[in-house]
Amino acid sequence: IAGITQAPTSQILAAGRRMTLRCTQDMRHNAMYWYRQDLGLGLRLIHYSNTAGTTGKGEVPDGYSVSRANTDDFPLTLASAVPSQTSVYFCASSDSGDPQETQYFGPGTRLLVL
Amino acid sequence: GQNIDQPTEMTATEGAIVQINCTYQTSGFNGLFWYQQHAGEAPTFLSYNVLDGLEEKGRFSSFLSRSKGYSYLLLKELQMKDSASYLCAVMDSNYQLIWGAGTKLIIKP
Repeated sequence: IAGITQAPTSQILAAGRRMTLRCTQDMRHNAMYWYRQDLGLGLRLIHYSNTAGTTGKGEVPDGYSVSRANTDDFPLTLASAVPSQTSVYFCASSDSGDPQETQYFGPGTRLLVL
Repeated sequence: GQNIDQPTEMTATEGAIVQINCTYQTSGFNGLFWYQQHAGEAPTFLSYNVLDGLEEKGRFSSFLSRSKGYSYLLLKELQMKDSASYLCAVMDSNYQLIWGAGTKLIIKP
């Protein structure tokens, strides 16, 4: 089934631990994004990648890192998790050939940091 | 700063019409999106406006006025399955999406 997959679906993590959230898309989209969604706030961009091999910082990048070794995968790493990183994380992708650059979202990862 | 404002919550009756407003102040404008997000699920694309006017797509329509920094999403013939949050987002001059907090729409029978 075409689209974006994320893993894990949910996770409880001890503060200070390292965690990588995985994101894979099979639509051959150039651009990929990581957002966090918190109650009462809009989606906030953490990091993005316009094409394989490049990444950029979004609105809230501190405490997170990403890599884009190929077109399909865009993992997000929390080097040392803190409770304020408790959130729902969405990965998204878009096709730079699309004039609208509509973003398509994965199902999300629910992360609780204790 | 950049800002997207939309009501936190709205209630409407099944079969009725509801209008969800969105006002924005962003650095540049390259289009406005509406997404639907059911509880516990991912946002899904509903509509895109880049020129002033009304875009109609079935029961849903979206309107844009760039001079007023204003958009609305109009939902007709409401169904129970339309109960969801509706997210307004603007693409700024850097082609990044700036998101509103979303409007939770509650449909009552």
